[in-house]
Amino acid sequence: AQSVAQPEDQVNVAEGNPLTVKCTYSVSGNPYLFWYVQYPNRGLQFLLKYITGDNLVKGSYGFEAEFNKSQTSFHLKKPSALVSDSALYFCALRGSARQLTFGSGTQLTVLP
Amino acid sequence: DTEVTQTPKHLVMGMTNKKSLKCEQHMGHRAMYWYKQKAKKPPELMFVYSYEKLSINESVPSRFSPECPNSSLLNLHLHALQPEDSALYLCASSPLGGYNTEAFFGQGTRLTVV
Repeated sequence: AQSVAQPEDQVNVAEGNPLTVKCTYSVSGNPYLFWYVQYPNRGLQFLLKYITGDNLVKGSYGFEAEFNKSQTSFHLKKPSALVSDSALYFCALRGSARQLTFGSGTQLTVLP
Repeated sequence: DTEVTQTPKHLVMGMTNKKSLKCEQHMGHRAMYWYKQKAKKPPELMFVYSYEKLSINESVPSRFSPECPNSSLLNLHLHALQPEDSALYLCASSPLGGYNTEAFFGQGTRLTVV
């Protein structure tokens, strides 16, 4: 069985401060991990994905993610948050069945 | 073209109506998906098509009927829906092949059943 957990329903951060959105996973075999962002009443936009061997992954809009195999984590980070980063963020895992398993989502609010 | 296009963007239908949602992609992806998403919740997988054949049906009620007429199109036919079926319906596509390929999502159809 595979699963993804996002332990925080809500993350608030001041504009200009670094942000972290947490994700942990459980899977037998290699993990294939993704981050998506969703703005209100819109579809999911792909941000970045983990490719074997690169523990620090860079993605769109200045986001990056750190893969940690020993902690089974794939946290999303950005050095300096923007108000426009406020959105719903989903971590996802693709396992042997090919379809994506999503975490519960984290609402990020960046305060001006 | 890296877009997945869904029509209509909004749909209001009565419980006795029949309607269809449409999805189109021209990226050559041979896997296409339908998801249902409630507000502030993660998408829930409904159906998966691989090479235009239904490969996964996540125990979806028969009032939802998917169709894949060709490799670029995916439809979801709706009949006799219930108010609890109101949600954002998302279509997605991805290449078949490696597991590290991302899925591309459409903007969704906001469905309201009255």
